[in-house]
Amino acid sequence: ETGVTQTPRHLVMGMTNKKSLKCEQHLGHNAMYWYKQSAKKPLELMFVYSLEERVENNSVPSRFSPECPNSSHLFLHLHTLQPEDSALYLCASSQDGSGIYNEQFFGPGTRLTVL
Amino acid sequence: QKEVEQNSGPLSVPEGAIASLNCTYSDRGSQSFFWYRQYSGKSPELIMSIYSNGDKEDGRFTAQLNKASQYVSLLIRDSQPSDSATYLCAVKVPPNRDDKIIFGKGTRLHILP
Repeated sequence: ETGVTQTPRHLVMGMTNKKSLKCEQHLGHNAMYWYKQSAKKPLELMFVYSLEERVENNSVPSRFSPECPNSSHLFLHLHTLQPEDSALYLCASSQDGSGIYNEQFFGPGTRLTVL
Repeated sequence: QKEVEQNSGPLSVPEGAIASLNCTYSDRGSQSFFWYRQYSGKSPELIMSIYSNGDKEDGRFTAQLNKASQYVSLLIRDSQPSDSATYLCAVKVPPNRDDKIIFGKGTRLHILP
């Protein structure tokens, strides 16, 4: 595996379900990110982890819960979602969490549909 | 409110011509600027980064940065149909500690065969 991988690629869930999205980076990076991309909206940053410590929580509802057990893995736990949460969820990683030369590399995304 | 603005397009350019994509940003202290290409149904792919005023060239792509005008652009020479995509401008805003990048809404580019 190379780059940034995400599973599952597609997910359909009901509003009462609990599911998790998984992201893994194989680039030796120290920072990882969750973004939400909805139609006709810019990419929205949800969470940032640098060296496994959460450094940014962009006022995301508590029905989204991130977990970063190590610098290579990032999860997004989902529960009691709403239909408006349907979107493409993208994971990204970068070399470090504080430098200016911070190019982010994205995974393929998880297309989430909430019924 | 820190913002990154792009014309949503679509921008139609004949094959072989130069495509010019523009982006403005509001935070004067920004230091890092990126261009991503996103094909429909795919994730963003980094194609250029630029950190200092002037031009940076990579193959058919040239990024131009003017910090005084708070303006960054991407030129694509000899446009190909495969360049048809949405191009996202992204700006890293201070403070640098939290590595926050703001994305524009993107410009849809259509290369006409």
